[in-house]
Amino acid sequence: DGGITQSPKYLFRKEGQNVTLSCEQNLNHDAMYWYRQDPGQGLRLIYYSQIVNDFQKGDIAEGYSVSREKKESFPLTVTSAQKNPTAFYLCASALGVANEQYFGPGTRLTVT
Amino acid sequence: AQSVTQLDSHVSVSEGTPVLLRCNYSSSYSPSLFWYVQHPNKGLQLLLKYTSAATLVKGINGFEAEFKKSETSFHLTKPSAHMSDAAEYFCVVSDREGYQKVTFGTGTKLQVIP
Repeated sequence: DGGITQSPKYLFRKEGQNVTLSCEQNLNHDAMYWYRQDPGQGLRLIYYSQIVNDFQKGDIAEGYSVSREKKESFPLTVTSAQKNPTAFYLCASALGVANEQYFGPGTRLTVT
Repeated sequence: AQSVTQLDSHVSVSEGTPVLLRCNYSSSYSPSLFWYVQHPNKGLQLLLKYTSAATLVKGINGFEAEFKKSETSFHLTKPSAHMSDAAEYFCVVSDREGYQKVTFGTGTKLQVIP
């Protein structure tokens, strides 16, 4: 059963703690993406990766970090430097940058 | 520069009546255009895509969209709304020849009234 998985679905953390969100795909896609979604603001791109061992900052990369050591995995770390980390985080993958993206189910992060 | 504008943040229709969700775009290159649907607390699902073939694109769940280059529009339509269509819809543009950046619209929430 091919697709994208994100875990966990809900995540709670205390302010000041780093937290890592998981994203795995078995679609053999080269490109992977992380988005943040806040009410009324649509999707904002955090980071994207076109190929293993390479990634680029998106529009709101400050306070986040990623790695792409394997084609199927693109974890996102929300660091303590992120001022307002509570949000819904979506991971996506695509054959290439210009192709349609396939989305995971999302992780809702709450930081208190 | 590339941008996408969804002209309505909220649309309300009665069940069984037509749906029209409007999207205008700008792109320096030949664009690919997509519509996605998102149900509450879920990921996005691709409804349909335009990639320079037929200008009238049919998607899943009875939705279709027409690419109009002269109007720089890619409006999403459905002849008859169903209660299960209530969701948020996103129009997306991607440059196929240039920088290949992907830009999402801010979304349109569709309410279906029984």
